[in-house]
Amino acid sequence: AQSVAQPEDQVNVAEGNPLTVKCTYSVSGNPYLFWYVQYPNRGLQFLLKYITGDNLVKGSYGFEAEFNKSQTSFHLKKPSALVSDSALYFCAVREGGSGGGADGLTFGKGTHLIIQP
Amino acid sequence: DAMVIQNPRYQVTQFGKPVTLSCSQTLNHNVMYWYQQKSSQAPKLLFHYYDKDFNNEADTPDNFQSRRPNTSFCFLDIRSPGLGDAAMYLCATSRGDRATNEKLFFGSGTQLSVL
Repeated sequence: AQSVAQPEDQVNVAEGNPLTVKCTYSVSGNPYLFWYVQYPNRGLQFLLKYITGDNLVKGSYGFEAEFNKSQTSFHLKKPSALVSDSALYFCAVREGGSGGGADGLTFGKGTHLIIQP
Repeated sequence: DAMVIQNPRYQVTQFGKPVTLSCSQTLNHNVMYWYQQKSSQAPKLLFHYYDKDFNNEADTPDNFQSRRPNTSFCFLDIRSPGLGDAAMYLCATSRGDRATNEKLFFGSGTQLSVL
């Protein structure tokens, strides 16, 4: 079984400062990792994904994430936070090669990111 | 240009009264998913359709059913809603081309209240 842990319910960052939202995962095989963002009253929106190759993945809105196999982590980062980045962020995993692309993602419980002006 | 559309945005039903939530997509994707998201919890996959093939998650209660009459539409039926079924229900789609790196496209969700 696969699982995702987001240890922080909320992260507070001042505008202009770097931000990190933590995620660790557990899968039997190779992980395919995703970050999604959810704004109030909106559905989840795709930010970025890691499949293979470079451990640093760049995504939408200036976000990036670093895959660390030894620590089974996939932390979301941004060098300079904006107030508009305030939202709920979900990390998700799918096990590579397990049943193909129709299988759904397993999500973490989400982290509220609050950027203070 | 909404691609995955869920109606209604808010749904109120009574305890035990059947309710149906709707999802439509303009992406022509093969796969449609239903997730249940309770407050402060991770979205939980209930089931998905790959074309007409229905795939139920092992721990999805029998109270939850789904229909997919065509590629564009998928419905979530709750036969006898209980207070514990109050949640946000998210519909998502994917191409389903057997690549495990595919992303999902989500609708805005339907917030279900049970009185």
